Amino acid sequence: EAGVTQSPTHLIKTRGQQATLRCSPISGHTSVYWYQQALGLGLQFLLWYDEGEERNRGNFPPRFSGRQFPNYSSELNVNALELEDSALYLCASSPRGTSGSEGKTQYFGPGTRLLVL
Amino acid sequence: AQSVTQLGSHVSVSEGALVLLRCNYSSSVPPYLFWYVQYPNQGLQLLLKYTSAATLVKGINGFEAEFKKSETSFHLTKPSAHMSDAAEYFCAVTGGSYIPTFGRGTSLIVHP
Repeated sequence: EAGVTQSPTHLIKTRGQQATLRCSPISGHTSVYWYQQALGLGLQFLLWYDEGEERNRGNFPPRFSGRQFPNYSSELNVNALELEDSALYLCASSPRGTSGSEGKTQYFGPGTRLLVL
Repeated sequence: AQSVTQLGSHVSVSEGALVLLRCNYSSSVPPYLFWYVQYPNQGLQLLLKYTSAATLVKGINGFEAEFKKSETSFHLTKPSAHMSDAAEYFCAVTGGSYIPTFGRGTSLIVHP
């Protein structure tokens, strides 16, 4: 079974540009979560999508946005990039409709490393 | 509300020694607890999870963790460290929410 995939693996942008990151969940998983892992700051929750809708967002400005497509893949967009947006962006998926612990278990992709110059 | 505290941002052990990584949690409802491992420049890999079926949970790579409700702890152990265990380890808790709360992580350093 294929795991969570993310693309691109690395992305270099300059301040003010826009970045688009992509994530494909494990087959059968309907929920996709996005996290930012900046140096020394641990994992910060960004966004949660399920069944095509945004279910929750973390404490990030509106220039962080995204969407989930009918095939449950997801896109994270970061507008007006700032230097401090440089980080590893992780996507995770879970089978939310599944009862018990499995519905709350998140499986992570390899991440996209974004560098803003 | 839920929170996680990982004691010690760095833990250093010799190869072959016991590994003990500490995690304390708080949750207003019965929790699900997770340990993840992150190797350099990679994503997080699920090591093990507590689901209330058993208090001692065995995971991959020889790791195990014990849920102690009275101590609100879920410490991760491994009897004998290998060089390949050097990585960042994250404890996470989720209760009523689908969004887990992660600890700040503990970096495991293994000396030859």
